[in-house]
Amino acid sequence: DVKVTQSSRYLVKRTGEKVFLECVQDMDHENMFWYRQDPGLGLRLIYFSYDVKMKEKGDIPEGYSVSREKKERFSLILESASTNQTSMYLCASSFPSGGNEQFFGPGTRLTVL
Amino acid sequence: ELKVEQNPLFLSMQEGKNYTIYCNYSTTSDRLYWYRQDPGKSLESLFVLLSNGAVKQEGRLMASLDTKARLSTLHITAAVHDLSATYFCAVDWDNNNDMRFGAGTRLTVKP
Repeated sequence: DVKVTQSSRYLVKRTGEKVFLECVQDMDHENMFWYRQDPGLGLRLIYFSYDVKMKEKGDIPEGYSVSREKKERFSLILESASTNQTSMYLCASSFPSGGNEQFFGPGTRLTVL
Repeated sequence: ELKVEQNPLFLSMQEGKNYTIYCNYSTTSDRLYWYRQDPGKSLESLFVLLSNGAVKQEGRLMASLDTKARLSTLHITAAVHDLSATYFCAVDWDNNNDMRFGAGTRLTVKP
């Protein structure tokens, strides 16, 4: 079974803090993704990566950065957390090219106070 | 900009009834995915549709894809309570598994 794990299920941070969300997959997938999920908006893509050290902006990259130093690990960084970044964050991974479904982690519910 | 629209967004139905969820998208694609999300859980893959006319069935759920109409449907037959969940469609628009998701349909099946 594909396993995608995320470092925390729940996280509470203060405005202005630097926040790291980590995602690890064990299926040797090339592609990894970070989404945020908000009620009524579905999943919105923040960043994705096709390979180690490669990253591409998604639809809502502002306020976020990512790091992929190893194939199995993809980190999402909030440089200075703000209250409007309170959300559920989902990580996913897949094999490359079309036709391969994405496998999702359990999610991290981040609250920024 | 790719848009993926699902409707309805909320669906309450009686057990035993049939219904269809619709997923329209705005760009050319022949790769569409359906996912299920239970409350407090992550997304689980249901169907992968990879060509015009593709039809997949699993239990009481059947998904189809019409690439010319840019439309996918998820049909529920004789609903049961266990099908209560939120269902998302997602479109892979650039053949790199870079997907865009619909807003989701929250389905509640009542006895």
